[in-house]
Amino acid sequence: EDQVTQSPEALRLQEGESSSLNCSYTVSGLRGLFWYRQDPGKGPEFLFTLYSAGEEKEKERLKATLTKKESFLHITAPKPEDSATYLCAVKGDYGQNFVFGPGTRLSVLP
Amino acid sequence: SQTIHQWPATLVQPVGSPLSLECTVEGTSNPNLYWYRQAAGRGLQLLFYSVGIGQISSEVPQNLSASRPQDRQFILSSKKLLLSDSGFYLCAWSVGGTSTYEQYFGPGTRLTVT
Repeated sequence: EDQVTQSPEALRLQEGESSSLNCSYTVSGLRGLFWYRQDPGKGPEFLFTLYSAGEEKEKERLKATLTKKESFLHITAPKPEDSATYLCAVKGDYGQNFVFGPGTRLSVLP
Repeated sequence: SQTIHQWPATLVQPVGSPLSLECTVEGTSNPNLYWYRQAAGRGLQLLFYSVGIGQISSEVPQNLSASRPQDRQFILSSKKLLLSDSGFYLCAWSVGGTSTYEQYFGPGTRLTVT
């Protein structure tokens, strides 16, 4: 059974304090690992897709990396507007199902 | 560009009442469509997906049903709501017929069953 866990559950950073969020996964044949950002009361916003170990993607202050067992979302010099819940999901070989993790709730304080 | 709409944005319904949530996508043809439910503090749970008109797959047994009467329209329904149906319902789409798997989400519907 495909599974995704995320840590930490919640993270508070000072503005400018860089850190990383972790997504650990088990999947039968990885077709893609996906990162989303979700603001309170809104739908998730797509950030990145990673397909194979060693791949990296960047967008503004965010950088996602992938190994065979986990992915990291690195946040460099965060700003208060980066505060959100960050969701990780995987798609395996079978069916249409994305398996989502529970998310990491990030708060960046000014 | 593609746009996904959901309505209503919020809904308060009594136990035992019917439900109909609607999702439409603009700017693409033959998308894959999905209904998810998000409970507080938990990951998104896939409820239904559809790869074409009239083609619905259910991922979990429940009190809900889905229909796709038109290419870019996806409807989530219930004949009688339960308290446990409360949650945040999200519709999503992805490009159909390809190996591109990214899903793009709508704004969601907050359902409270009282």
